[in-house]
Amino acid sequence: DAMVIQNPRYQVTQFGKPVTLSCSQTLNHNVMYWYQQKSSQAPKLLFHYYDKDFNNEADTPDNFQSRRPNTSFCFLDIRSPGLGDAAMYLCATSRGGILYSPLHFGNGTRLTVT
Amino acid sequence: GENVEQHPSTLSVQEGDSAVIKCTYSDSASNYFPWYKQELGKRPQLIIDIRSNVGEKKDQRIAVTLNKTAKHFSLHITETQPEDSAVYFCAASEDSNYQLIWGAGTKLIIKP
Repeated sequence: DAMVIQNPRYQVTQFGKPVTLSCSQTLNHNVMYWYQQKSSQAPKLLFHYYDKDFNNEADTPDNFQSRRPNTSFCFLDIRSPGLGDAAMYLCATSRGGILYSPLHFGNGTRLTVT
Repeated sequence: GENVEQHPSTLSVQEGDSAVIKCTYSDSASNYFPWYKQELGKRPQLIIDIRSNVGEKKDQRIAVTLNKTAKHFSLHITETQPEDSAVYFCAASEDSNYQLIWGAGTKLIIKP
């Protein structure tokens, strides 16, 4: 089945220690998104790629960066995680943007910062 | 910018009864309104969506209505079942093809 796959499901990192989360997709969608979701809250868009064009949301901290080496893969790098960065990180894809196709989410990576 | 308000924050209904969740939006230019269901510990999944040129859309036990004049849209679930228990999020498209403005979510509890 075509899908969005995130690894790992659970990630524990230490305060200030860089961490990378990964996402892959077999849907061949040209748009990929990273969302942060804290408990009981709605997902918050961090950034998105339209093909290789990177788009950062204005309120996304500089601590968060992303790479998309090819259509299928996208990475979220957190350079110096703080306790406030503990959250579920959701990767999503769409074909041509949300007005053309709905968001397909991965199962998420739950990040714990100790 | 767009703002989406969602009510209620928690809704408890008896199994078999109907549930209604309401959302209002502020930007009259918004034209796409999806609803996502998120079970505990799982990913959000689209359950139904509606565009501004349509007033109502139905898919089995789920329906969404849109009132563009009043700028509100609602999710209706009939004959609720235990598997309907989840958090439901409404959202509206901003003037962007990539950004959704999300409601705060409604926790739906189905009582046996």
